[in-house]
Amino acid sequence: DTAVSQTPKYLVTQMGNDKSIKCEQNLGHDTMYWYKQDSKKFLKIMFSYNNKELIINETVPNRFSPKSPDKAHLNLHINSLELGDSAVYFCASSQEAGPYNSPLHFGNGTRLTVT
Amino acid sequence: AQTVTQSQPEMSVQEAETVTLSCTYDTSESDYYLFWYKQPPSRQMILVIRQEAYKQQNATENRFSVNFQKAAKSFSLKISDSQLGDAAMYFCAYRPYISNFGNEKLTFGTGTRLTIIP
Repeated sequence: DTAVSQTPKYLVTQMGNDKSIKCEQNLGHDTMYWYKQDSKKFLKIMFSYNNKELIINETVPNRFSPKSPDKAHLNLHINSLELGDSAVYFCASSQEAGPYNSPLHFGNGTRLTVT
Repeated sequence: AQTVTQSQPEMSVQEAETVTLSCTYDTSESDYYLFWYKQPPSRQMILVIRQEAYKQQNATENRFSVNFQKAAKSFSLKISDSQLGDAAMYFCAYRPYISNFGNEKLTFGTGTRLTIIP
C-alpha cells in the first residue's frame, strides 16, 4: 500500500500553462508538505498544512496555490508556468503529536518539465 | 536561520567496505532532530536514520550508524559493509523541536552522491 502518493509522476508542459499535482496520504497524518527539488538536487520546503490550515508559506510566488480539501489530501496548482518551475516536487506528510513528531514520509515525486 | 552543510558532493566506496558521510549544521536551538535521507535513482526519499538532539547515544539502524557530536554540531553517517543497493544521494536534514503543529520544516543539506564500486 502506498503511504504518500502523488500524481502524475511526470508532467511535461509549455510555458504559460496551468497545471496541478495531486497528493494523497493514507497514513492518518495531520500535516502535509510540498517540497521542491531543483536541478542541483537541493530540497526546499514550499508549504505545509496542518488539518487543512496553511502553516508554512516559504516565499513561494503567488502562481503556486496549494489546496487541502481534507487532511489526507494536499494538491498543488501552478498558474502561468515558467521555465524556472522545472523541478521535482515532493509531497510529504507527518504526524505531529506535541513533543514527539514522526519523521516525514515522502511521496515519489513529480518531475515537472516546462518547455 | 538553520543551515545544513554537506561538504562532500561525491563519495565512493568499495563494496563491503565502510564509508562515512559528513554533515555539519548551524542552529541556536538546544532541542532538535537530525535525519539522514537516502534518494536512489528511483527518486524516492527514504528515511535512513534519525537522531534526537537530547539523546547522547548515537542512533544505529542495522548497517547504518551516526556519530552525533552536539557541541561540534556534527552529524556524520557511517555505512558499514557497503552494498550495491546503498548507491544513492544522501541528504542530511535538520528539524527544530517545536510543538507548533505544521511548523516543523526540514532543512536539507545539498547532498552527497555515494557510488559503490563492485
